[in-house]
Amino acid sequence: QVQLMESGGGVVQPGRSLRLSCAASRFPFTTYGMHWVRQAPGKGLEWVAFISNDGSNKFYADSVKGRFTISRDHSKNTLYLQMNSLRTDDTAVYYCAKDLNPLTPYYFDNWGQGTLVTVSS
Amino acid sequence: DIQMTQSPSSLSASVGDRVTITCQASQDINTYLNWYQQKPGKAPKLLIYDASNLESGVPSRFSGGGSGTDFTFTISSLQPEDLATYYCQQYDTLPVTFGGGTKVEIK
Repeated sequence: QVQLMESGGGVVQPGRSLRLSCAASRFPFTTYGMHWVRQAPGKGLEWVAFISNDGSNKFYADSVKGRFTISRDHSKNTLYLQMNSLRTDDTAVYYCAKDLNPLTPYYFDNWGQGTLVTVSS
Repeated sequence: DIQMTQSPSSLSASVGDRVTITCQASQDINTYLNWYQQKPGKAPKLLIYDASNLESGVPSRFSGGGSGTDFTFTISSLQPEDLATYYCQQYDTLPVTFGGGTKVEIK
């Protein structure tokens, strides 16, 4: 059973930075692309970023481009999201999700439980 | 960006009813569409991929169809555990986009 466990959420002031982690287990992490998807309180799902299995392709939503960076560490089986210049509208539950494909987005077949990021002064 | 328009935004139906949700894409996406279920307080779960393929382990009362710009998601006989919000998602063109969601309530 695939396991994805996010951590690193919390309360942060506007303009500050935060790094989210997603520990992956029980599947070959190096084989699959990975995503971050967020959900603002009471709102729908918003795709944030994707990284290919080997880290060579990275794609971002326009709303986070230039501020957020997705990365992965295969030695630790961990996915990251470095979030800089945070804004109040970045407040959301952030989910990591596994893709079926290695290189480009297809579908999210497994999700973590999410970690809440609150941007507030 | 491709806009995904779901309707209705919410519905209330009785156990045993047939429920249909529609999702319209702002441009042709072939069958590059997936459906997810999100129960209250939980992460989303994949139900249907490539418009009409049932994910392994998902009950057969769930089905999907359509191609191009118009898609449907159907629950053939609504069960109490189907209380959830359902989302469509396209992957034809980046950025990946989701529909606004349909909240399904049980009468």
